[in-house]
Amino acid sequence: DAKTTQPNSMESNEEEPVHLPCNHSTISGTDYIHWYRQLPSQGPEYVIHGLTSNVNNRMASLAIAEDRKSSTLILHRATLRDAAVYYCILRGNQAGTALIFGKGTTLSVSS
Amino acid sequence: GAVVSQHPSWVICKSGTSVKIECRSLDFQATTMFWYRQFPKQSLMLMATSNEGSKATYEQGVEKDKFLINHASLTLSTLTVTSAHPEDSSFYICSAGGQRYEQYFGPGTRLTVT
Repeated sequence: DAKTTQPNSMESNEEEPVHLPCNHSTISGTDYIHWYRQLPSQGPEYVIHGLTSNVNNRMASLAIAEDRKSSTLILHRATLRDAAVYYCILRGNQAGTALIFGKGTTLSVSS
Repeated sequence: GAVVSQHPSWVICKSGTSVKIECRSLDFQATTMFWYRQFPKQSLMLMATSNEGSKATYEQGVEKDKFLINHASLTLSTLTVTSAHPEDSSFYICSAGGQRYEQYFGPGTRLTVT
């Protein structure tokens, strides 16, 4: 599986936007970029995913670089409930393929 | 999104005993289920992949005779930790794969072996 690199931790203030970066310079043409997050003592939850174009959903936006070697997860207005570990994961679109987790970014949100 | 449940949510057992953890997909049929283990302050580590009706595929370093996985139906997979020891204490998380990209995670089971 192609490797991703994320900062270990980031801090944000409540109500402010948060940009979580992810580098994946060895991404292959068929790899999708997935983002999951894990709140303390819970299982991970899906945030967003994309292939080439920027994506938006009710939780976040995903901005993908033109060369696809990096991406940024954008939380438009951070809340205290967004404090979690955010994982950027590359995976093909084949059913039955596991998600392989890296270390992720621990996001702290202050009021 | 789809719901995946795990039972029990936490369990304490004595060293040498076996513990079974259930993972159920409540509102969809999961052709593939995955089992992960997570130690404190670490990331999730994939233990095995199971497909309904066939033997599980274990990751390197995971003892298949110690961690027995059964995927008897499209909505149920079980993980049995046999002859548990304190070093098996961990947070065990299952996930269920849908037909395409989606993967839904259970809430996890915290196992403590005394």
